[in-house]
Amino acid sequence: AQKVTQAQTEISVVEKEDVTLDCVYETRDTTYYLFWYKQPPSGELVFLIRRNSFDEQNEISGRYSWNFQKSTSSFNFTITASQVVDSAVYFCALSGRVGNTGKLIFGQGTTLQVKP
Amino acid sequence: EPEVTQTPSHQVTQMGQEVILRCVPISNHLYFYWYRQILGQKVEFLVSFYNNEISEKSEIFDDQFSVERPDGSNFTLKIRSTKLEDSAMYFCASSPLAGTGELFFGEGSRLTVL
Repeated sequence: AQKVTQAQTEISVVEKEDVTLDCVYETRDTTYYLFWYKQPPSGELVFLIRRNSFDEQNEISGRYSWNFQKSTSSFNFTITASQVVDSAVYFCALSGRVGNTGKLIFGQGTTLQVKP
Repeated sequence: EPEVTQTPSHQVTQMGQEVILRCVPISNHLYFYWYRQILGQKVEFLVSFYNNEISEKSEIFDDQFSVERPDGSNFTLKIRSTKLEDSAMYFCASSPLAGTGELFFGEGSRLTVL
């Protein structure tokens, strides 16, 4: 079975602090994709990143960085120098093997509050 | 940039009424999905649709739910007899390929059942 666990329900930081959101996944597939989505208060789902299981290189995009470690089945997301606009719910998600229907399994989400 | 559009953005209905949520996927995409998010909870998969038929559905997607692609552009989710617990945000998504997980989500339709 596939499962995504985001153990942190809520995180509160002060602006300019760095924050890491944890994501642990379970899958029996050898090929899979991992994602992070942001859901601001307005409710839409904003795609942040997709990473396939064969690419363990860490990725940095501006203040965002992602650490994918297959050995621990984790795909953690770090925001450097957080800003108030980063306040949102962040979801980690998993997609199964190529050729499946492409559905995503989401974690429970982590609510990030960045205080000024 | 092409996007997935959903209507209505918010619908309020009485319990027992039928509701149709509409989605216009990105035009060259082949795979279509509906997801549901009950307030404050995680996003849950409902159904995937390809080649004019359901390719996978979750346990949530019971006989009260149906999907249709009536005219080659719209993709609809129908709830035949709404229940209070159907109150949620419903997200439509489309993808050019299955398995890559490259889903493009609409902005969601909020359904409130009274």
